[in-house]
Amino acid sequence: AQKITQTQPGMFVQEKEAVTLDCTYDTSDPSYGLFWYKQPSSGEMIFLIYQGSYDQQNATEGRYSLNFQKARKSANLVISASQLGDSAMYFCAMREVFPGNQFYFGTGTSLTVIP
Amino acid sequence: DVKVTQSSRYLVKRTGEKVFLECVQDMDHENMFWYRQDPGLGLRLIYFSYDVKMKEKGDIPEGYSVSREKKERFSLILESASTNQTSMYLCASRSPGGHLETQYFGPGTRLLVL
Repeated sequence: AQKITQTQPGMFVQEKEAVTLDCTYDTSDPSYGLFWYKQPSSGEMIFLIYQGSYDQQNATEGRYSLNFQKARKSANLVISASQLGDSAMYFCAMREVFPGNQFYFGTGTSLTVIP
Repeated sequence: DVKVTQSSRYLVKRTGEKVFLECVQDMDHENMFWYRQDPGLGLRLIYFSYDVKMKEKGDIPEGYSVSREKKERFSLILESASTNQTSMYLCASRSPGGHLETQYFGPGTRLLVL
C-alpha cells in the first residue's frame, strides 16, 4: 500500500485565489510527522510546513496552512492568495519513527498559477 | 542556514562505470538520505543512514551502495552504472525532531548513463 497518496497530478489556480492540494497517508505508527515541500523548475526542494501527529492545531506558515484531519489520515496543503511564483511541483511526505525515521514521499502535484 | 551540497549538478557516465555521488552537510545532523526522483514516481528512498558507519536500505537499494565514514559526508555508489539508473539524485539530511524538524535537500545531481 502507498504510504503517501497525492491524487492530483496537476492543478490550476487563478492568481490571488486559494488552492488546496490533497494528501492522504497510511501509517500505524502513533508518532509521525507530515511535511510539504515545493520544487520549482530549478529542481531544489524547499521545505514549506510541518505537522506533528500529536499537534492539536493545524500548522501555518505565512500563506501556507496544513489542514490536518487525523481520523481521515489527511494532510492537505492550503495556499492562500496564490502568486505566480507558487507555480511548482508540490510533494507531501511523512516521517515514521520506525525504522530510523524514514521519510515517504508522494508522487507530487504540479501547480500552475494563472495570471 | 543549513547547507547540503552535492558534488556534481550534472554527470554523464557510460554503462558499467562505477559512479560516486558525494553529499556533505554542515549542520552535524545524524540522519542522511539518498533519493532518486523520476517523473510520475516522486522521490524514492535508496538508502539512509542514522549515524556514522550505519546504513539502512530504503525502498530501492538494488544496484546501489552507500558509505558514511564521517558524520557530515554520505556517499552513494553505483557499482556498475546501467541506463535505468539515469535519474535525478537528491541527498538530504534531517534536523532533530520537534517543530524545527525537516529534511534539508541538496541541489540534486542529474545523472545520465549512456
